[in-house]
Amino acid sequence: EDKVVQSPLSLVVHEGDTVTLNCSYEVTNFRSLLWYKQEKKAPTFLFMLTSSGIEKKSGRLSSILDKKELSSILNITATQTGDSAIYLCAVDREYGNKLVFGAGTILRVKS
Amino acid sequence: DTEVTQTPKHLVMGMTNKKSLKCEQHMGHRAMYWYKQKAKKPPELMFVYSYEKLSINESVPSRFSPECPNSSLLNLHLHALQPEDSALYLCASSLNRGEKLFFGSGTQLSVL
Repeated sequence: EDKVVQSPLSLVVHEGDTVTLNCSYEVTNFRSLLWYKQEKKAPTFLFMLTSSGIEKKSGRLSSILDKKELSSILNITATQTGDSAIYLCAVDREYGNKLVFGAGTILRVKS
Repeated sequence: DTEVTQTPKHLVMGMTNKKSLKCEQHMGHRAMYWYKQKAKKPPELMFVYSYEKLSINESVPSRFSPECPNSSLLNLHLHALQPEDSALYLCASSLNRGEKLFFGSGTQLSVL
């Protein structure tokens, strides 16, 4: 059975800290891994990773995929209170019909 | 326009009511999706439309009935729902099936 596991389930940090969120997966016919941020309602797209070892960056956020270890990390540097959200990892498959989502990591950044 | 718009934002309905959720996008996306999300859980796929044809139904009960009138619109018709159907219903679209999803803000549904 396909599965995506995220850790930690929740995390509380102070502004300015750096955090690393983890996502591991076991899926057949892997195609891509996606990260989403969900604040109140709509998940918003952060990154899509298809190639191993290539870091994607957007401001203070970055992510990298390790296909050998079947995992990905999402890094957030110099965290701000606006980074507080649920971070969802999802995996898409070749010939796939749906994303397999992890349970999410709840991040809370305290001022 | 890079938005997926859902209406209504909130809906309260009784178990005998019939209501519809609406979703609209004007990004030229050819795949549209309905997801259901319970509190503190990840989104669960319900339906996928690709080029206005239903391509996936994830064994969703018949009290949920999707409709795709054209490439920009997706509806979810609700009838005789149960209290356990209370959840956030998210619509999403992608350029083609299997590509990154753009989500709407969802409809928070409460069934009394």
